[in-house]
Amino acid sequence: AQSVTQPDIHITVSEGASLELRCNYSYGATPYLFWYVQSPGQGLQLLLKYFSGDTLVQGIKGFEAEFKRSQSSFNLRKPSVHWSDAAEYFCAVGDEEKLTFGTGTRLTIIP
Amino acid sequence: EADIYQTPRYLVIGTGKKITLECSQTMGHDKMYWYQQDPGMELHLIHYSYGVNSTEKGDLSSESTVSRIRTEHFPLTLESARPSHTSQYLCASSEYRGTQFTGELFFGEGSRLTVL
Repeated sequence: AQSVTQPDIHITVSEGASLELRCNYSYGATPYLFWYVQSPGQGLQLLLKYFSGDTLVQGIKGFEAEFKRSQSSFNLRKPSVHWSDAAEYFCAVGDEEKLTFGTGTRLTIIP
Repeated sequence: EADIYQTPRYLVIGTGKKITLECSQTMGHDKMYWYQQDPGMELHLIHYSYGVNSTEKGDLSSESTVSRIRTEHFPLTLESARPSHTSQYLCASSEYRGTQFTGELFFGEGSRLTVL
């Protein structure tokens, strides 16, 4: 069975500081990996995805993520956060049939 | 920008009432989904559809039912609401380009249901 673990429920970061959100997954084969963001009162929006190839993928809004097969991880990073990045971030793993989402990490930005 | 709409956004209703949550998308996507989202919990897939006249149950058992009579419309119905049904329900759709899975789900803004 596939599963996703996001160990950090809530992270607080100062504006302009770097950010890393952790994601570990369990999947039987080469996974499709995703990061989605949910702003308050909104639906989820795709930030980036990994299917194959280069293990460092770039997404929208200046985010990137690195796939590490040996660690079963797909951590999300941003070098300098903006106040507008405050949101809930969901990691997901899956295939053409379905996606399994993690429990999310809530990001708070302080001035 | 995604064109997927859910109504109502918020609904407070008494126990035993029948409710229908509407979901419509204008992108012509074949595959549609309903997820249930509770605070601090992962999103749980409760229903999905491959296209017209196709409905499948997801991972999380749900007393709700769905129908897919038209490509753009995927309503979810609860025949008799109970307090345990209180949750946020998210509708989503995805595009298949030929046989290639693009991986992107487009989500609506959600319907928050409270059953008293």
